[in-house]
Amino acid sequence: NAGVTQTPKFRVLKTGQSMTLLCAQDMNHEYMYWYRQDPGMGLRLIHYSVGEGTTAKGEVPDGYNVSRLKKQNFLLGLESAAPSQTSVYFCASRATSNQGELFFGEGSRLTVL
Amino acid sequence: AQSVTQPDIHITVSEGASLELRCNYSYGATPYLFWYVQSPGQGLQLLLKYFSGDTLVQGIKGFEAEFKRSQSSFNLRKPSVHWSDAAEYFCAVVLESGGGADGLTFGKGTHLIIQP
Repeated sequence: NAGVTQTPKFRVLKTGQSMTLLCAQDMNHEYMYWYRQDPGMGLRLIHYSVGEGTTAKGEVPDGYNVSRLKKQNFLLGLESAAPSQTSVYFCASRATSNQGELFFGEGSRLTVL
Repeated sequence: AQSVTQPDIHITVSEGASLELRCNYSYGATPYLFWYVQSPGQGLQLLLKYFSGDTLVQGIKGFEAEFKRSQSSFNLRKPSVHWSDAAEYFCAVVLESGGGADGLTFGKGTHLIIQP
């Protein structure tokens, strides 16, 4: 099983450019999450989804948008990238009954120049 | 608001020595508690969890953790570390009734270095 797959794994953007990170999970999980990880900050929740067609804001949602058109996919978009969005982004998913037990992707490293 | 504190940013341990990583949480309600491990260049992996019952829980890779309500702590231990245990370790808590986002709150992590 692939589990949680993120693409791309690396990306360099210029300030103002847009991009989309794709997360795909093959475990039929209802819940999906996008986190960012920055040195000394731990993981911070950007947006999450409790099912197909639903999204909600997390702790640090500004500058990001998400969509969950299919149950297995959760997209994270940056409409106008800023240097402050340089980070490592992690997607995670979980089953409905397993609160807190997240499966993570390997991460996507984004650099905004 | 709930919070998780991992007091040690870095810990260095000799291979074969015992390990204890500290985690304290601040929340009045009954928490669910977790430890995750992140190997270099990888995503996080669940090591163990505590929901209720026996306060000493066993996890994968030979790790265990003990929940102490009186100290609001959930420290991670391993009797004898291996070089492959070098990684970043995250403690996390979630409310029993956290809802959609889980209210999953991560600590800032402890970087474990293993000396040969």
